[in-house]
Amino acid sequence: GIQVEQSPPDLILQEGANSTLRCNFSDSVNNLQWFHQNPWGQLINLFYIPSGTKQNGRLSATTVATERYSLLYISSSQTTDSGVYFCAVEEGTYKYIFGTGTRLKVLA
Amino acid sequence: SAVISQKPSRDICQRGTSLTIQCQVDSQVTMMFWYRQQPGQSLTLIATANQGSEATYESGFVIDKFPISRPNLTFSTLTVSNMSPEDSSIYLCSLQQGALDTQYFGPGTRLTVL
Repeated sequence: GIQVEQSPPDLILQEGANSTLRCNFSDSVNNLQWFHQNPWGQLINLFYIPSGTKQNGRLSATTVATERYSLLYISSSQTTDSGVYFCAVEEGTYKYIFGTGTRLKVLA
Repeated sequence: SAVISQKPSRDICQRGTSLTIQCQVDSQVTMMFWYRQQPGQSLTLIATANQGSEATYESGFVIDKFPISRPNLTFSTLTVSNMSPEDSSIYLCSLQQGALDTQYFGPGTRLTVL
C-alpha cells in the first residue's frame, strides 16, 4: 500500500512565525487532503488538493503530484493553529491513507 | 457541510465488555467510514459501511471484533467487542460529501479500556 510520511514530526513556533509542513507519498494518487486536528480531537478539512496550489486566508497548500509531495504553508501563525496536521491520500476508491502527522505548538 | 454527531463522546470500560458507538448525520450519505486513532498515532481506516450491504473491513480488522450496522442513510453504529486495553483509542466516523468528495469527521468517541 501507499506510504505517507510527514515532516517535521514536531514543530514549535512563536506566534507570528511562518512554517512549511511537508507530505511525501510513495505512489501516484488521485486525491490528497490536508486536515487539522485541534487539541480537543476534532478533525477539520483544510484543503482538497490533488494538484496545484490553493490558498485560504493564512493557509496555503501546494501539491506536485508528479514528484509525490505536498506542502502546507502557515503564515503569521496564531496559538489557535496548534494541534496536529495530517495529510491523507486516496488509495483506490474512497479509501484514504493518513500520514504520520506534524504536531504543531504555537507559543504566545 | 455535513453535521456529524457521535455518542458517547467518551467512555471508560472494563476489559471483556463491549461498547456500541453511534454516528448520526444530518443528511443522507451513501458511504460512511469508521476510523481508529490510537494514542499519539495517525488515523487508520477500520471499515467502510454502505447502507443495505455488509461493511467492508480493512486488513487487520474483522467483523467479529468490530461489527458495524448501517440501517439507513443517516445512521451507523460501530461495536467494539470483547475489549482489551489495546482497544483504547479515539473512534471516528466520517463521510465524503460534495463535488470534490471532501471528507468530514465526527467529533470522535474517546474510549479507555481498563
